[in-house]
Amino acid sequence: AQKVTQAQTEISVVEKEDVTLDCVYETRDTTYYLFWYKQPPSGELVFLIRRNSFDEQNEISGRYSWNFQKSTSSFNFTITASQVVDSAVYFCALSEADSWGKFQFGAGTQVVVTP
Amino acid sequence: NAGVTQTPKFQVLKTGQSMTLQCAQDMNHNSMYWYRQDPGMGLRLIYYSASEGTTDKGEVPNGYNVSRLNKREFSLRLESAAPSQTSVYFCASIYGTGLSTNEKLFFGSGTQLSVL
Repeated sequence: AQKVTQAQTEISVVEKEDVTLDCVYETRDTTYYLFWYKQPPSGELVFLIRRNSFDEQNEISGRYSWNFQKSTSSFNFTITASQVVDSAVYFCALSEADSWGKFQFGAGTQVVVTP
Repeated sequence: NAGVTQTPKFQVLKTGQSMTLQCAQDMNHNSMYWYRQDPGMGLRLIYYSASEGTTDKGEVPNGYNVSRLNKREFSLRLESAAPSQTSVYFCASIYGTGLSTNEKLFFGSGTQLSVL
């Protein structure tokens, strides 16, 4: 069975601080896919990144970076120099290859960035 | 390109009333999903349809039924609404093979449902 844990319920930072969101997953599949979605106050779910289990290369996109470590079953997300527009709920999700499309979401982490 | 469209955006029901949430996608996706979002619990899968003509239960199917009307449309029905079904409901779709590195879930804008 697949499981995703986001232990941080809420993180509050002051603008320009860095913030790291933790995501720990469990799966028995050797092939799986990890995702991060952002949900701003407007409520829509915005795709941020997909990472395949066979590709452990970390990724940077502007102020966003992701650290994928299979050894610790973690897929952490860092926002560098946070801005007020980063205030949102962030969800980590997992889909196993054998049940592709059935995403297991974590509980989400609320990020609050104050000026 | 509209993506995933779900209606209505807001609905208030009384306990015992029934209603259907509608969802349509125009991306020629094979698989469609209904999730509910509750505070502190993330998104939980209610029902899904891996392809036209098939439906399967997800994690929290009790109290719901679904219909995959055609490839584009996937509806969620509450036959007798209960306060425990107060939630935000999201429809989502995906092409369905996972092979393309660009494949991801596309979500509708959500339905805020309150059952009194």
